Amino acid sequence: EPEVTQTPSHQVTQMGQEVILRCVPISNHLYFYWYRQILGQKVEFLVSFYNNEISEKSEIFDDQFSVERPDGSNFTLKIRSTKLEDSAMYFCASTPGAKNEQYFGPGTRLTVT
Amino acid sequence: AQSVAQPEDQVNVAEGNPLTVKCTYSVSGNPYLFWYVQYPNRGLQFLLKYITGDNLVKGSYGFEAEFNKSQTSFHLKKPSALVSDSALYFCAVRDRGDYKLSFGAGTTVTVRA
Repeated sequence: EPEVTQTPSHQVTQMGQEVILRCVPISNHLYFYWYRQILGQKVEFLVSFYNNEISEKSEIFDDQFSVERPDGSNFTLKIRSTKLEDSAMYFCASTPGAKNEQYFGPGTRLTVT
Repeated sequence: AQSVAQPEDQVNVAEGNPLTVKCTYSVSGNPYLFWYVQYPNRGLQFLLKYITGDNLVKGSYGFEAEFNKSQTSFHLKKPSALVSDSALYFCAVRDRGDYKLSFGAGTTVTVRA
């Protein structure tokens, strides 16, 4: 069964550094998402991406964040200058259509020190 | 705005007993409703969804959920719980005009042998 994959599984970085989290969505899916879960808190929506552009973003997704689909398979989340409060589990998800359920990857645990 | 409430942080049941995990939601329009399960160190796995039609929906691993519009609820149920059902369960809602999922805080289910 096809799965969403994410790399790395764990990323440790220093405050102020740039990080790129990588995701490979399921191959025939058209809609892509990033969510995050700060330890002990709810899963929060960050951004959705369709047809090579952002279709919706949350207030969390400020100028420090960007997403890209650099080729036909990868979907990346970049944080330009990480803050301590960016420490969280970041989940990528994809879906074949807007009405379908979203399929989630295993997550990347980001630790900012 | 859309939101989800899972009133119970934890649910404990004996194996073979019925399992219910509660969820209520709030959306401005008609909802799409979802249940996901998360096992340790794994991503969110889709269990079932309500889009339209029959209020009782059946999903993976013997789970089902009942959509109740008047009570704005979407409780997850399983007639006979297994020890392997022990996990973290998330209810999620999406307004039909949106792309994003809004998640509840999650309910930890423990099924004792």
